[in-house]
Amino acid sequence: VELVESGGGLVQPGGSLRLSCRTSGFTFGAVALNWVRQAPGKGLEWVSFISGTGQTIYYADSVKGRFTISRDNAKESLSLQMSSLRDEDTAVYYCARGMGNFDFGIDHWGQGTLVTVSS
Amino acid sequence: QSVLTQPPSASGTPGQRVTISCSGSSSNIGSNYVFWHQQLPGAAPKLLIYRNDQRPSGVPDRFSGSKSDTSASLSISGLRFEDEADYYCVVWDDSLRGGVFGGGTKLTVL
Repeated sequence: VELVESGGGLVQPGGSLRLSCRTSGFTFGAVALNWVRQAPGKGLEWVSFISGTGQTIYYADSVKGRFTISRDNAKESLSLQMSSLRDEDTAVYYCARGMGNFDFGIDHWGQGTLVTVSS
Repeated sequence: QSVLTQPPSASGTPGQRVTISCSGSSSNIGSNYVFWHQQLPGAAPKLLIYRNDQRPSGVPDRFSGSKSDTSASLSISGLRFEDEADYYCVVWDDSLRGGVFGGGTKLTVL
């Protein structure tokens, strides 16, 4: 099982960024996926969940209305579109696999991609 | 302030047993499975315990998890220097309709 995030970088406050997660080693459409972030020196914070079919989506209150999670099961890809970015969105963003189609429980993590929001 | 409460730090000497607690409520720990993840310095988190008390293959049996009502705990026996890491509990919260992590516990092996 492998998850590899990409798309991180430096962006100004109010700007947008799109993160991607490329996976391998498992049946992509059979499992839920999450985005989890970690601000510098801080703990882990759950950001968003999408079921294996893509029909069920949840967001943390801190990103609701600004972030959009999506997946393309045909292309086996996961994305996180982030807009109206704030300083407090600065973090390493991890793609994390759930244990089943609708199972939030995380069993594998990517290595993370750093997003820095700063002017 | 996290929905799940963990002690910010814990410590022990090699060979000792250490227990890390995770306190929640009926909407999270009380009704869903608890997972524990280990994060070594500078690394991504790694699954340690799933569904309250199950160990993934490759995780030593020195690590064990348990759950009772609205609390969970992670125990590490035969403590080793390599166990020095941050430990996080995480669970789904039915009221918040989202995942919640504990604040993390930094384990120091003296």
